[in-house]
Amino acid sequence: AQTVTQSQPEMSVQEAETVTLSCTYDTSENNYYLFWYKQPPSRQMILVIRQEAYKQQNATENRFSVNFQKAAKSFSLKISDSQLGDTAMYFCAFIRASNTGANSKLTFGKGITLSVRP
Amino acid sequence: NAGVTQTPKFQVLKTGQSMTLQCAQDMNHNSMYWYRQDPGMGLRLIYYSASEGTTDKGEVPNGYNVSRLNKREFSLRLESAAPSQTSVYFCASSGSWGQGGNQPQHFGDGTRLSIL
Repeated sequence: AQTVTQSQPEMSVQEAETVTLSCTYDTSENNYYLFWYKQPPSRQMILVIRQEAYKQQNATENRFSVNFQKAAKSFSLKISDSQLGDTAMYFCAFIRASNTGANSKLTFGKGITLSVRP
Repeated sequence: NAGVTQTPKFQVLKTGQSMTLQCAQDMNHNSMYWYRQDPGMGLRLIYYSASEGTTDKGEVPNGYNVSRLNKREFSLRLESAAPSQTSVYFCASSGSWGQGGNQPQHFGDGTRLSIL
């Protein structure tokens, strides 16, 4: 079974600064996908960024980038130029890659609450 | 774009009452999911349906039943609600592997359910 660990329950960052959110996971699979989801106070779950395990290049989406260390099973999210609208809970998630549709379960970490200070 | 639509958004029940949470998606996705979110626990999978006509248990299925009514709709039923089922419930959907691998899951806005 896969596990996803987010050990920091809360973090705070000054507006315009950079912050890194940590995530580690445990799996015996070699082919999988990792995601970061954002949940603002509105409760919506918004996909921030996605990483395929077979890709060595770290994914980036505008101000969001990841540091994917496959051997260390680490998947951290870096937010540059933090904005007030980044205040939210952030979830790291894992899914095993499959061609058949079996075991399509997405495993979430417990989340980290990020507060951006003005 | 509607995406994933859940109804209702809020509900209060008494212990022992039953109710069905509705979920519909308009993205032609094959897979649909039901999660519950509790403080400090993240999202936990209740049931999922990898494709129309199939359903499987997730991590916390006890006390729930599901129905994949058609490709668009996936409902979650609480037969006899208990206070431990007080939670926020999310429905999600994703494209199949035939559409280019594991597609990210798209989530509805959630249902806040309180059981008294």
